Amino acid sequence: AQSVSQHNHHVILSEAASLELGCNYSYGGTVNLFWYVQYPGQHLQLLLKYFSGDPLVKGIKGFEAEFIKSKFSFNLRKPSVQWSDTAEYFCAVNLDSGYSTLTFGKGTMLLVSP
Amino acid sequence: NAGVTQTPKFQVLKTGQSMTLQCAQDMNHNSMYWYRQDPGMGLRLIYYSASEGTTDKGEVPNGYNVSRLNKREFSLRLESAAPSQTSVYFCASSEHGTGNNQPQHFGDGTRLSIL
Repeated sequence: AQSVSQHNHHVILSEAASLELGCNYSYGGTVNLFWYVQYPGQHLQLLLKYFSGDPLVKGIKGFEAEFIKSKFSFNLRKPSVQWSDTAEYFCAVNLDSGYSTLTFGKGTMLLVSP
Repeated sequence: NAGVTQTPKFQVLKTGQSMTLQCAQDMNHNSMYWYRQDPGMGLRLIYYSASEGTTDKGEVPNGYNVSRLNKREFSLRLESAAPSQTSVYFCASSEHGTGNNQPQHFGDGTRLSIL
């Protein structure tokens, strides 16, 4: 079965620390990859997506992610986090053929202390 | 431009009661989705509608029904609410062209408690 794994359920960082959140998927075939963010009490918003081209994707608010096909991974990174990055982060994947719905990881709660 | 609008925002039900969650999008998207979000479980797909006139089961459809009323509106119905359906429900929509790389746009959610 298709699945998405996010390695860390909770991450606590101090402001200015670097961030890397892991995401691995198990899909056969060409995939589309997404990272969404959910700020406290809000709905999910798209951070970035990858579907083709340069495997290093830049998104909003200084986030980036790298697609490594050989490792089935799409890790999210930010060089220096801010208190306002406190949120839950979700990785999501679908197949790029036919009609394919998104499968979400269980999420990583990031807490940034000032 | 409202995007995806869900009503109500909060609801408390007693076990066995029924209710319908409403969702409307104004982005002319083909596809619409209903998810539930539970702590530590991420988002799980309940039902989706790939296009007007079609609906399909997702990962956790039991206990729910849906109606794609028109291109804009996609409702979720709980016929006989159970405590296990206490959750936050999100509606989403997306454009669907030749591939599946269009992002989904989410509503603000409905927080539903079943007593």
